[in-house]
Amino acid sequence: AQSVTQLGSHVSVSEGALVLLRCNYSSSVPPYLFWYVQYPNQGLQLLLKYTSAATLVKGINGFEAEFKKSETSFHLTKPSAHMSDAAEYFCAVIDTGGFKTIFGAGTRLFVKA
Amino acid sequence: DVKVTQSSRYLVKRTGEKVFLECVQDMDHENMFWYRQDPGLGLRLIYFSYDVKMKEKGDIPEGYSVSREKKERFSLILESASTNQTSMYLCASSRHRGGSYNEQFFGPGTRLTVL
Repeated sequence: AQSVTQLGSHVSVSEGALVLLRCNYSSSVPPYLFWYVQYPNQGLQLLLKYTSAATLVKGINGFEAEFKKSETSFHLTKPSAHMSDAAEYFCAVIDTGGFKTIFGAGTRLFVKA
Repeated sequence: DVKVTQSSRYLVKRTGEKVFLECVQDMDHENMFWYRQDPGLGLRLIYFSYDVKMKEKGDIPEGYSVSREKKERFSLILESASTNQTSMYLCASSRHRGGSYNEQFFGPGTRLTVL
């Protein structure tokens, strides 16, 4: 079965600083990878997804993620954090059977003024 | 605008009560899912369904059952609620196609408290 590991349950950055949220996946061919965001008291929404068309994937709200097969990583970045980015972020991978999504434990991002 | 709706945002029930959580999607999706979300544990899959009247157990099905009589509706049932079922419940749906098309669309969640 597939799995994802998110390093760091909490990340705190200052407004304007780089955001880096880490995700590593168990190897598979091909991995279908996603980042979802959950704002307070809301459900999850898709931030971006890796479709194998390009290793650098751009998502909504200025986020992007780079697929690195050699490192089995799919880290999420944003050059400049905004207060509105404070949320919980989940890395996810499609399970081998194709129906289920396996979610990481989540990383809560705090943005300091 | 695509939408997944859940019948309640907040629910308070007593131990032993039968609880119904309803989820409706308007995207004609084949797949529907129920998760529970607890701090530090991420999302855990309770049940999913890939077609009407079909259901599959997820990772933590004990104490829960589901019903899918219509394509757009997927219900989660707690036969006899217990305090350890206090949690946030999230419903999601996705298309039947594989791979990257299986992005999931989520409802707003139901925060259930069992007293």
